[in-house]
Amino acid sequence: NAGVMQNPRHLVRRRGQEARLRCSPMKGHSHVYWYRQLPEEGLKFMVYLQKENIIDESGMPKERFSAEFPKEGPSILRIQQVVRGDSAAYFCASSLAPGPGVNSPLHFGNGTRLTVT
Amino acid sequence: AQSVTQPDIHITVSEGASLELRCNYSYGATPYLFWYVQSPGQGLQLLLKYFSGDTLVQGIKGFEAEFKRSQSSFNLRKPSVHWSDAAEYFCAVGAPNNNDMRFGAGTRLTVKP
Repeated sequence: NAGVMQNPRHLVRRRGQEARLRCSPMKGHSHVYWYRQLPEEGLKFMVYLQKENIIDESGMPKERFSAEFPKEGPSILRIQQVVRGDSAAYFCASSLAPGPGVNSPLHFGNGTRLTVT
Repeated sequence: AQSVTQPDIHITVSEGASLELRCNYSYGATPYLFWYVQSPGQGLQLLLKYFSGDTLVQGIKGFEAEFKRSQSSFNLRKPSVHWSDAAEYFCAVGAPNNNDMRFGAGTRLTVKP
C-alpha cells in the first residue's frame, strides 16, 4: 500500500530554468495539496487540487508557479524561470476526502528538495 | 485565519526523561489540531489529531497531547523519550471547510544519551 510518492527527491536547476515536481497521491486519494518548506520554517500551504481542478491556490505565488492534477497521472508543480529564492523543500500531501477533516487526514510524501544555483 | 506558534525552536532532553513540546493556536472556533513528526530528509508523519470530544488524545509512538481551550494550547507530551524520537515536530491547525492548514515553525528535538 504505497504512500504518497514524490519525485525527484532532489532537483538542481540553474537560474532561469524550469522545475517540474511530481506527486502521485495514495491509492484512492483524489485530493492533493502542495506545501513549501523553507529552511528553519514550517510548511506553507501553496495549492489544493482535486482531479482536473484547482480548488484553492491562495498560497501560490502569482507568477512563475503553476500546478495541475490531470485525470490520469501525477500532480505536477511547475516553477518557471527559477530563482535562488525558490530553493526549498516542496511537499505534497493527499487525502481521501477534502481535508483536513475527521476522516481525511493529510498523508505527506517525502518531499522534493529543489536547489537553484 | 488560523495560526499556530511553537515557542521553542530547539529542545534537548536526556533519553528516558519526559518531554513536553508547546503549541499555541489562534482560531475563533474549535480548531482541528495536529502534531506531525519529520525525520531528516523525510516527509511528515501524523502523530495524533484532535477534532472534538475528549481533550486528551493518544497518538502513535507513545505520544499524547492535551487540548486546552482556555489556554489556546495543544501541547505534545511523552513520559519517556527514546533516542529514536530525535526529529522535528510540527504543530498544525486546520478549520472546517478550510483547506489551508497552518503549520508552526517546528521544534527540533535532540535526545542526549
